[in-house]
Amino acid sequence: GENVEQHPSTLSVQEGDSAVIKCTYSDSASNYFPWYKQELGKGPQLIIDIRSNVGEKKDQRIAVTLNKTAKHFSLHITETQPEDSAVYFCAAEGGKLIFGQGTELSVKP
Amino acid sequence: DAGVIQSPRHEVTEMGQEVTLRCKPISGHNSLFWYRQTMMRGLELLIYFNNNVPIDDSGMPEDRFSAKMPNASFSTLKIQPSEPRDSAVYFCASSLGGKETQYFGPGTRLLVL
Repeated sequence: GENVEQHPSTLSVQEGDSAVIKCTYSDSASNYFPWYKQELGKGPQLIIDIRSNVGEKKDQRIAVTLNKTAKHFSLHITETQPEDSAVYFCAAEGGKLIFGQGTELSVKP
Repeated sequence: DAGVIQSPRHEVTEMGQEVTLRCKPISGHNSLFWYRQTMMRGLELLIYFNNNVPIDDSGMPEDRFSAKMPNASFSTLKIQPSEPRDSAVYFCASSLGGKETQYFGPGTRLLVL
């Protein structure tokens, strides 16, 4: 079955810097890759997603890139703000959604 | 849109008791998912319904867990009897289709003493 590895597990950046979170997956049949943000005490919320027919997608300060050959995808957050602090999860879907272990992002003012 | 609604938000019970978690998916969504989140195992899919029919229950830990979806607007996850290792946050999510974007509820934080 699908296996998703996510790195790093924790990430601390200064406000205004960029943050990058990387994920790899094992099932080449996976074709949908969402990213979720989870704030304390809340459920995961979708922030951006990408399908296998595109290599990059951008939404304001957030972008996701996908390399199907290498089976990895990344989340890029530019101009980070304190409110970006949360746990971020990547996921891959080939039949069902399999989540990475999460990255705890801390943005220091 | 009210989003996915879960109840209760918090549940504290004693080992051996029956626990029932409830979920109301987003109106119009035909797929519903139950997840469990723990520090050790992360987010795990327990069971997935499509059009009220269980499609994949391979993630259900054991026979103590059962889930039902009697209609398109309501689902339950039941644990009987509960054990301390069941302590976790349980999330319900719904989507327009099995491979479409999933929207998560706020979760039920379960503590079994």
